[in-house]
Amino acid sequence: AQSVTQLDSQVPVFEEAPVELRCNYSSSVSVYLFWYVQYPNQGLQLLLKYLSGSTLVKGINGFEAEFNKSQTSFHLRKPSVHISDTAEYFCAVTESGGTSYGKLTFGQGTILTVHP
Amino acid sequence: GAVVSQHPSRVICKSGTSVKIECRSLDFQATTMFWYRQFPKQSLMLMATSNEGSKATYEQGVEKDKFLINHASLTLSTLTVTSAHPEDSSFYICSAKTGGNWETQYFGPGTRLLVL
Repeated sequence: AQSVTQLDSQVPVFEEAPVELRCNYSSSVSVYLFWYVQYPNQGLQLLLKYLSGSTLVKGINGFEAEFNKSQTSFHLRKPSVHISDTAEYFCAVTESGGTSYGKLTFGQGTILTVHP
Repeated sequence: GAVVSQHPSRVICKSGTSVKIECRSLDFQATTMFWYRQFPKQSLMLMATSNEGSKATYEQGVEKDKFLINHASLTLSTLTVTSAHPEDSSFYICSAKTGGNWETQYFGPGTRLLVL
C-alpha cells in the first residue's frame, strides 16, 4: 500500500512570489505521481503527472514538479503566483502495477492562498 | 479534452431516502470509473472501482449494500446512496479512466449531498 503526506495544510503567499508545495510519498513498488488542483465548488483538475523519464515535470498554469526518488518527494513549484492560483492542491500517487494499479491515493491537500 | 459530468451537482434529501448520482464521460469511453468521497477539509477517499459490465470493487470499510454502484455502459456509472443518513452528507466525486490514457483519471465536478 502507498501513502501520501502533504507537509503543509495551508500556504499563504503574496502575489508574484514563488511558492513550493511539498509532497512526500511512501510505497514498496514503483509509482506514478500526480498533482491536482481544486478550485472552490469545482472538481479536481490535473496539473501535471510523473510517469517516467525526466524527473522535472512541467504542467499547466506555469507549475512544475520534481520527482526525487531518493527522498520520495514530488514537490510542486511555481516561480511567480497569481491571485487566480488560490485553490486547494492535492498530491496523489498510484502504483504502476499490481492490484492497486490505477487507484489513486491522495494527500490531505494544501490550501494555497495568494494575497495581493 | 476528456470531460466527465455529474448529476445532480447538489442534492438535499430527508434521512431514510435513497439518492442516485450519475457520472458520465461525455467524449470518451470509460472502461473504469472510480467513486470518491470527500468530507469537509479532508482529502478524497476512494470508495469503489467500477468496471463496465462487472460488479464494483469496494474499498475496505465501504458498505456495498449502502452504496450501490452500477456501470451499465462505457459512458455511465451511477452511485445510489440507499437509506441515507446525516453522516452520509459529503462531497461525492467520480472519475473515469480512458482505455488509451490508462494512467490518468478525469474527474467530475462532484455532487454535494446533504441529508437532513
